[in-house]
Amino acid sequence: SQQGEEDPQALSIQEGENATMNCSYKTSINNLQWYRQNSGRGLVHLILIRSNEREKHSGRLRVTLDTSKKSSSLLITASRAADTASYFCATVFGGSNYKLTFGKGTLLTVNP
Amino acid sequence: SQTIHQWPATLVQPVGSPLSLECTVEGTSNPNLYWYRQAAGRGLQLLFYSVGIGQISSEVPQNLSASRPQDRQFILSSKKLLLSDSGFYLCAWRFGTGVTEAFFGQGTRLTVV
Repeated sequence: SQQGEEDPQALSIQEGENATMNCSYKTSINNLQWYRQNSGRGLVHLILIRSNEREKHSGRLRVTLDTSKKSSSLLITASRAADTASYFCATVFGGSNYKLTFGKGTLLTVNP
Repeated sequence: SQTIHQWPATLVQPVGSPLSLECTVEGTSNPNLYWYRQAAGRGLQLLFYSVGIGQISSEVPQNLSASRPQDRQFILSSKKLLLSDSGFYLCAWRFGTGVTEAFFGQGTRLTVV
């Protein structure tokens, strides 16, 4: 079964705006990861946050993790048309470092 | 550096035919290996994962199977394909130890007709 659930399912914004996507999960985790997928391609890893971390930055990306609420958010600042893609969160279960499960994703469209 | 190869990129197979998708990883040893399926416009469903040769964990009971005959080779198979097996199949690997991300192949688009 899928562990993470992203919200919203689809998001359309204008270039230059910020995009925020949320992820909720059900069980304890070891770490949470965000990935990007361009249409018809494989996934590319964006950022990983461990269960004992609350916030992490990478370039225009900011990820937060709230383990008490079992939720995470991905913020993309100053979005560009090239950011148009699907974004997925993935969780590694707390009891295992092996099982990596993904949510259904958020389709982000950045209009020029 | 490490690379992952997945083939073929596209495949059209008739119902009832067998399936074999292959994935190989180069440049690392004892990786964790994964097979996912993605239906059109949907999320990734974990099908199988493996932490070592001959060690396969199945997540979804169905007419697919996986094998890991060599350390860096992961094969997804079916004896008889169903229409519902159509989808985008993705292979991925992670380092066998440590807290790490996954690296994905480019995927195989399977259409069962």
